[in-house]
Amino acid sequence: AQSVSQHNHHVILSEAASLELGCNYSYGGTVNLFWYVQYPGQHLQLLLKYFSGDPLVKGIKGFEAEFIKSKFSFNLRKPSVQWSDTAEYFCAVLGSQGNLIFGKGTKLSVKP
Amino acid sequence: EADIYQTPRYLVIGTGKKITLECSQTMGHDKMYWYQQDPGMELHLIHYSYGVNSTEKGDLSSESTVSRIRTEHFPLTLESARPSHTSQYLCASSESGGRGRTEAFFGQGTRLTVV
Repeated sequence: AQSVSQHNHHVILSEAASLELGCNYSYGGTVNLFWYVQYPGQHLQLLLKYFSGDPLVKGIKGFEAEFIKSKFSFNLRKPSVQWSDTAEYFCAVLGSQGNLIFGKGTKLSVKP
Repeated sequence: EADIYQTPRYLVIGTGKKITLECSQTMGHDKMYWYQQDPGMELHLIHYSYGVNSTEKGDLSSESTVSRIRTEHFPLTLESARPSHTSQYLCASSESGGRGRTEAFFGQGTRLTVV
């Protein structure tokens, strides 16, 4: 079965610290990968996506993710977080039915 | 800003009541989805639709039902609400097929509490 695993449930960082959130997927076919963010009280928004080509994908707000096929990973990174990055982050893979299969999410708290 | 709307945002209702959660999108997307999300858990797909008159059950078994009579509208109904239905329900839509066109847009969700 297709699945997505996010390693960290809750990450707490100080402003300006670097961020890396882990994501591993299990899916044997062509992968389409996504990171979504949910700010407090808001809807899920797309941060970035990977379909093909350059495995280093740049998204909005300074986020990037690297697709490493050999490790089945798609980790999210940001060199310097801000308080406004406090949110919940979800990794997802496109399933065979065209739906998104999500991980459990990682809550990021950034201390000012 | 995504053009997908869910109402109500919050609903507290008694056991046994019938409820309908509304979802509408103005983007002309063929595909629509309902996800259920509990705190600290992943989003689980409960229903999806590929177009008008198409509905399918998702990975997570749900006692809810859906209909797709119009492209833009994908309501979810619970005939008899129970406390176990307490959860957040997220509606989403996406275009059909094509590389780079499978991004899903989400509504703000309905937080349902059954007492």
